[in-house]
Amino acid sequence: QKEVEQNSGPLSVPEGAIASLNCTYSDRGSQSFFWYRQYSGKSPELIMSIYSNGDKEDGRFTAQLNKASQYVSLLIRDSQPSDSATYLCAVHPPGGGGSNYKLTFGKGTLLTVNP
Amino acid sequence: KAGVTQTPRYLIKTRGQQVTLSCSPISGHRSVSWYQQTPGQGLQFLFEYFSETQRNKGNFPGRFSGRQFSNSRSEMNVSTLELGDSALYLCASSILAGPYNEQFFGPGTRLTVL
Repeated sequence: QKEVEQNSGPLSVPEGAIASLNCTYSDRGSQSFFWYRQYSGKSPELIMSIYSNGDKEDGRFTAQLNKASQYVSLLIRDSQPSDSATYLCAVHPPGGGGSNYKLTFGKGTLLTVNP
Repeated sequence: KAGVTQTPRYLIKTRGQQVTLSCSPISGHRSVSWYQQTPGQGLQFLFEYFSETQRNKGNFPGRFSGRQFSNSRSEMNVSTLELGDSALYLCASSILAGPYNEQFFGPGTRLTVL
């Protein structure tokens, strides 16, 4: 079983719509979750971090975490063509010591926002 | 505040050669992590350094190594290059390490092995 799974897409939404990106993870004790945006040919850019169950909002972005279901999502409201990118979900695994110092990434969901 | 910097940005090498990549973290950040990104495997963790100590290593062969200096700058080395080592190598820094520390990526070094 893959540790962090995302639908590869592409996910296509019209401009102004809500884009919903989903991620599931396998390690139940995972402690923190991150969403990165990566434009083609560029490096990942941190958008959101979330550590507790529930919603966290930042501008047009809302991250949602449900640890019982091992599920984290990212909602983008009023999607713009400039939001077109690959969105990467990253999970910090449970455990202490050396295993506590890395992120495990999903393979990303390609989002296309059509004008 | 300046971001993470990586040099060089692009490299072309031939099989069997070795390569050294450099990373300067954000000022004040003490943890540096390295990742390899390929189209097939996505982003994969290579290793993490803190206070000049490697604290975690991903599932990569011993040809991949790294180090961190007292000023938190880090280098990674790949010896005896193989075609499959062609990838984007990303460095990320965080203030400390652990689950509640956000990692910020540099622009990456694009390595092509011919």
